[in-house]
Amino acid sequence: EPEVTQTPSHQVTQMGQEVILRCVPISNHLYFYWYRQILGQKVEFLVSFYNNEISEKSEIFDDQFSVERPDGSNFTLKIRSTKLEDSAMYFCASSGEGSPLHFGNGTRLTVT
Amino acid sequence: GDSVTQMEGPVTLSEEAFLTINCTYTATGYPSLFWYVQYPGEGLQLLLKATKADDKGSNKGFEATYRKETTSFHLEKGSVQVSDSAVYFCALTRTQGGSEKLVFGKGTKLTVNP
Repeated sequence: EPEVTQTPSHQVTQMGQEVILRCVPISNHLYFYWYRQILGQKVEFLVSFYNNEISEKSEIFDDQFSVERPDGSNFTLKIRSTKLEDSAMYFCASSGEGSPLHFGNGTRLTVT
Repeated sequence: GDSVTQMEGPVTLSEEAFLTINCTYTATGYPSLFWYVQYPGEGLQLLLKATKADDKGSNKGFEATYRKETTSFHLEKGSVQVSDSAVYFCALTRTQGGSEKLVFGKGTKLTVNP
């Protein structure tokens, strides 16, 4: 069965640095998403992306964050000037038209 | 806004015990309801779903019924196995132009002992 793949599985960075989290969605999916889960808290929606543009974003997704689909297969989340509170598990997901979301295994981001 | 409330964990059961994890939701209109499962070290996997009132979703022995009158979607399994140990998330979504934005509950950690 096709899978959403995320790299790296664990990323450690220093406060103030920029990180890029990478995702390869399922190939025939059209909608792409990022969610995050701070340890012990809810899984929270960050952003959805369709047709090469953001279709919806949460209040968490401020100017520090950006997403990009640089080629036909990758979907990236960039976090500029990371803060301690950005430490979380970040999940990428994709879906087809009207189909459920398929999630990747996540990238654990640790900001020190 | 939309929200999901599920029972606090952790839940610890013996193998073959009956499982119920309660989930209630607040939403306007008619959302779709889901249960996702996260096994240790893995991502979120769709376990089952229901898209309208009185629908029953089922998979791997788990069941949940969409109850509009009580705004609930409780997860049940008649006889749990050690391999069911995981974190279970209740969620709802609205489809907006093909895109589905999920709203999750906090998750309930289940541990099944042999």
